[in-house]
Amino acid sequence: DSGVTQTPKHLITATGQRVTLRCSPRSGDLSVYWYQQSLDQGLQFLIQYYNGEERAKGNILERFSAQQFPDLHSELNLSSLELGDSALYFCASSVVSGNTEAFFGQGTRLTVV
Amino acid sequence: ILNVEQSPQSLHVQEGDSTNFTCSFPSSNFYALHWYRWETAKSPEALFVMTLNGDEKKKGRISATLNTKEGYSYLYIKGSQPEDSATYLCALLYNFNKFYFGSGTKLNVKP
Repeated sequence: DSGVTQTPKHLITATGQRVTLRCSPRSGDLSVYWYQQSLDQGLQFLIQYYNGEERAKGNILERFSAQQFPDLHSELNLSSLELGDSALYFCASSVVSGNTEAFFGQGTRLTVV
Repeated sequence: ILNVEQSPQSLHVQEGDSTNFTCSFPSSNFYALHWYRWETAKSPEALFVMTLNGDEKKKGRISATLNTKEGYSYLYIKGSQPEDSATYLCALLYNFNKFYFGSGTKLNVKP
């Protein structure tokens, strides 16, 4: 158990809908990262938050947004969902930023039908 | 988009064999390299974070080296065991922010 909690574990929704994925980082970790793993692709970095502020943006679509709350949990919002958004979404957390180990949650499997 | 290459893509070894794989990356603006071990149906598990040229890290039978000037890192597994079977990922961090992942080396250790 990495100490990073993601909910829900599985999500099935229809095209055009909006969903929210939630991540609780390890106790004491200030950084949260979101990643997407699609069927035929490797891990893609989406976005990073550090202590409530957006720190870095990767290949995140405009339909997607994220935030980190004062209690340091984070949410990834995916809207106007398309079939191609079906993927495994991981959250990871680390104490500070990129030069410390990141611990991954178990992921949320999103299926868009 | 930065190109992070891992080789080989897959590797089949016998229990007890030692093995190594490579992560190659552009050397300019390097900040940190992460190695992860990713078992099927689980989430990636951090192995090492390396930042300095010449870094060597070790955890049990697994070790890694880093050469930032020529842009590569090696991961070594000594005396492979079936439980080492997993995909080994490297991820590069540039300019303090974005991570770029390699596609991984899939290791299968046969008993």
